[in-house]
Parts: sequence; C-alpha cells; structure tokens
Amino acid sequence: SSELTQDPAVSVALGQTVRITCQGDSLRSYYASWYQQKPGRAPVLVVYGKNNRPSGIPDRFSVSDSGDTSSLTIAGAQAEDEADYYCYSRDRSGSLAVFGGGTKLTIL
Amino acid sequence: QVQLQQWGAGLLKPSENLSLNCTLSSGSLSGFFWTWIRQPPGKGLEWIGEINHRGTTNYNPSLKSRLTMSLDPSKNQFSLRLSSVTAADTAMYYCARTTSGTTGTTNYWGQGTLVTISS
Repeated sequence: SSELTQDPAVSVALGQTVRITCQGDSLRSYYASWYQQKPGRAPVLVVYGKNNRPSGIPDRFSVSDSGDTSSLTIAGAQAEDEADYYCYSRDRSGSLAVFGGGTKLTIL
Repeated sequence: QVQLQQWGAGLLKPSENLSLNCTLSSGSLSGFFWTWIRQPPGKGLEWIGEINHRGTTNYNPSLKSRLTMSLDPSKNQFSLRLSSVTAADTAMYYCARTTSGTTGTTNYWGQGTLVTISS
C-alpha cells in the first residue's frame, strides 16, 4: 500500500484552475515531486522541491505544501494537461521512495 | 544534457531472472542515486530501488529478497537484477537519476523497457 494518498480522479473545465492533492506523513519532512504521464509515454517531471519547475514546464503548474499535504495546482487548465499525475517523495524513514497512487485528470 | 540509455531482455519465462542495464551518456555516477522504477500495464508507478556511486543500496521491501542492483563506474553504467520473475513482474521498467536531500527528485529518466513475463 502507498504511503502517499491521492484522489483517483479529478475533473476540471477548460481554462479553470484545478488542485490535485497528495497526503502522507513523510511530506512533513520531504518535499514531493509531481509527474505528468500521458498514455504510452514516460512520466515527465513538472514540479519539485519548493515550487521548482524544470525547463520547458509552463508556469501554470505550481505546488504548495501544508503539513502532511502537497498540492499541485494547474491554473487555467489546458486540453493538453489531461493526463495522470503522480506525486513522489521519500517515505517516513527517508531511506525509501514512494509514489502516490496517481490521479487521472480529465479536462471537460 | 543527461541521457540514460537502457536495455535488456524484453520477454522472459516465469522463474527466469530479469536483467536490465542503463548507461549514463555524459557526466559521472558520483553524487546521485541511480534509480529503477516500474509500471505494470494500466497501473501506477512503483519505486523498485536505488544505488549510489559508493554502492549503497535502498530496495523496495516488497522486492528486496529478489533484487540486486550494481554499478560499474568505468562504464558509467548501472544494472538491475530481479530473480525468479512471475507474471506480476510484467511492467515497463525505467532507469532514472535521483538527487538527494529533502528537495531531492528523480529528474532524468531512461526511455523505458517493456518486460513481459510469459510461458
């Protein structure tokens, strides 16, 4: 079982803002990374650490952290943002890493 | 530009050993953890484990008894061996680079290798 918990599915209207959450005790000590995965493709890192985006990731992707929860926000969601999103971090011991179960984002 | 090129057998029979390799195109293995991740068809991502340049390993407890990771700095290469595979090990396997610390992340991935376990 995953130590990081995500909602299985979230939907948002085109152009609106959506938040995808990831909850786990280890997030009190470690930042989460967030990955976007489209069908048949490898995961792509979209946000990590204290709100860092790799080169080429639009600034509509951001992350905020509060207690045991990391939240990925997509401001003004676009059709191309429809994908599975996974959070990823260390476990409570720090020795292991773990993925959340993933959230399927649907753009309406 | 960090590039990871991975290869290995894509079709195995139950009870055989899975072996995958990953080569770093430029740079050094030092200073990072080198990670393996897998994804069964239609399912989520699973962290398999990691190894650093000193040979320190961290393994997913659910796989630990069957898992061996190694690296060869002279070839800029690291490897995964999973013994006695079953159909449940059928997955896309990825090698990747991980940075350490509280803000650490896995930021470079190989292209993936689909491994199918079938008799």
